[in-house]
Amino acid sequence: DAGITQSPRYKITETGRQVTLMCHQTWSHSYMFWYRQDLGHGLRLIYYSAAADITDKGEVPDGYVVSRSKTENFPLTLESATRSQTSVYFCASSDFKLETQYFGPGTRLLVL
Amino acid sequence: DQQVKQNSPSLSVQEGRISILNCDYTNSMFDYFLWYKKYPAEGPTFLISISSIKDKNEDGRFTVFLNKSAKHLSLHIVPSQPGDSAVYFCAAKKTSYDKVIFGPGTSLSVIP
Repeated sequence: DAGITQSPRYKITETGRQVTLMCHQTWSHSYMFWYRQDLGHGLRLIYYSAAADITDKGEVPDGYVVSRSKTENFPLTLESATRSQTSVYFCASSDFKLETQYFGPGTRLLVL
Repeated sequence: DQQVKQNSPSLSVQEGRISILNCDYTNSMFDYFLWYKKYPAEGPTFLISISSIKDKNEDGRFTVFLNKSAKHLSLHIVPSQPGDSAVYFCAAKKTSYDKVIFGPGTSLSVIP
C-alpha cells in the first residue's frame, strides 16, 4: 500500500532492552522525521533525515539512534530503553519542495 | 521553554457553533504556521497553513488568522461538526524547509 507505515504498532519492553521502531514510506520523500508525543508536550522532534545517509538531531535525541541507508526506511533504535521513553512515536515524511509532513499511524511503546 | 503554546488543553462546542482554537508563539523568526488534526490511534494530518505575509487563510469551514505583532494565531471552524472532534496541533517554523515546532495540542469536542 502507498503511504507511510510504522511497525510494530504496539510494543512492551523492559528497561535496558534494545528496541527498534520501523518506518517505511513509498512516496520517495527526501525528508523523514521521528517524533514522540507526550501529554503536555505535544509532538517533539527526536531525529530527522534530509536524505539517505544524512541524519540530524532534533529537540530530544538523547537515548535514540537512527540510520537511513535507504530513502524509504528510517528506523529508530532505543539502545537501552528507559521508563521515560514510554511514549507514542510518530514517523513522518515530506518532499523537500512541500511544507506538509505526512505522518504514520504511530507506535505505542511501554517500557516497564 | 515551549516556543509554541496552546494554553487551552481542551474545548467543548455545540454542533453548528463556531470553534476557536488559539495558539501563541514566542520566536519572532517563525514565518510559517500550520495546523494539524489528530484522531485517536491515528497520526496527525495536515489541515491548513498560513505564511507570515498573510493575516488570513481560508479553506472551506476552516480559517486561520495570524496576528504577527501579538505572536498569536487562531483556527476558526464554522460550523463545527461532531466529526471535527479531535486534537488540534498548532505548529510553526522559520522557513519553508526547516524543522517544525509543535504546540502541546488542544482537544476539541463537538457535542451533537
